[in-house]
Amino acid sequence: DTGVSQNPRHKITKRGQNVTFRCDPISEHNRLYWYRQTLGQGPEFLTYFQNEAQLEKSRLLSDRFSAERPKGSFSTLEIQRTEQGDSAMYLCASSPGTFPNNNSPLHFGNGTRLTVT
Amino acid sequence: AQSVTQPDIHITVSEGASLELRCNYSYGATPYLFWYVQSPGQGLQLLLKYFSGDTLVQGIKGFEAEFKRSQSSFNLRKPSVHWSDAAEYFCAVGTEKTSYDKVIFGPGTSLSVIP
Repeated sequence: DTGVSQNPRHKITKRGQNVTFRCDPISEHNRLYWYRQTLGQGPEFLTYFQNEAQLEKSRLLSDRFSAERPKGSFSTLEIQRTEQGDSAMYLCASSPGTFPNNNSPLHFGNGTRLTVT
Repeated sequence: AQSVTQPDIHITVSEGASLELRCNYSYGATPYLFWYVQSPGQGLQLLLKYFSGDTLVQGIKGFEAEFKRSQSSFNLRKPSVHWSDAAEYFCAVGTEKTSYDKVIFGPGTSLSVIP
């Protein structure tokens, strides 16, 4: 178990640029989640995948955001035409099964901190 | 829809002192309750969870939490705090037959520990 890995750890970009983040979940986990966390707040759900299928998207996920998990392994989150309001920590998490199975806790990565200038 | 409040934005305790972090939730049926800890620059780690059964739940790192339905609370406790416990603590609530996408996280309580 190498944990959930996210890259890059930090990203600074200028407003209007596109950015892409990557998440590598724990290998046997079929569910993968993306969250956004702003300063002083808890994580807010963005979207999640079961294998390669994107099953749910939050209203927070505007048209500028897109997520993929093409082979049911790693996932990418892309933000197009970034805005200053997109500055946040983007967290990825994975779980081995469905909720509320006692053996299916969420395992979080260390996040990607995005700063839009 | 469920919601979570953590009344204390920031708490400071002395090392060795006891700790209680408050969490109140709003949900009509039996909630599924979690406490997570986040160290600076890190992701969240699950401390403990309540799904059913014994209302006093033991977690990792010496933490425990008690579910009190009458008070809609799930407070986190530790009898003796260590300097390494300084972190951000998040309470979260889910509902029956939902997935983690429906789990709502509270705003967090920041814990500082004085040596």
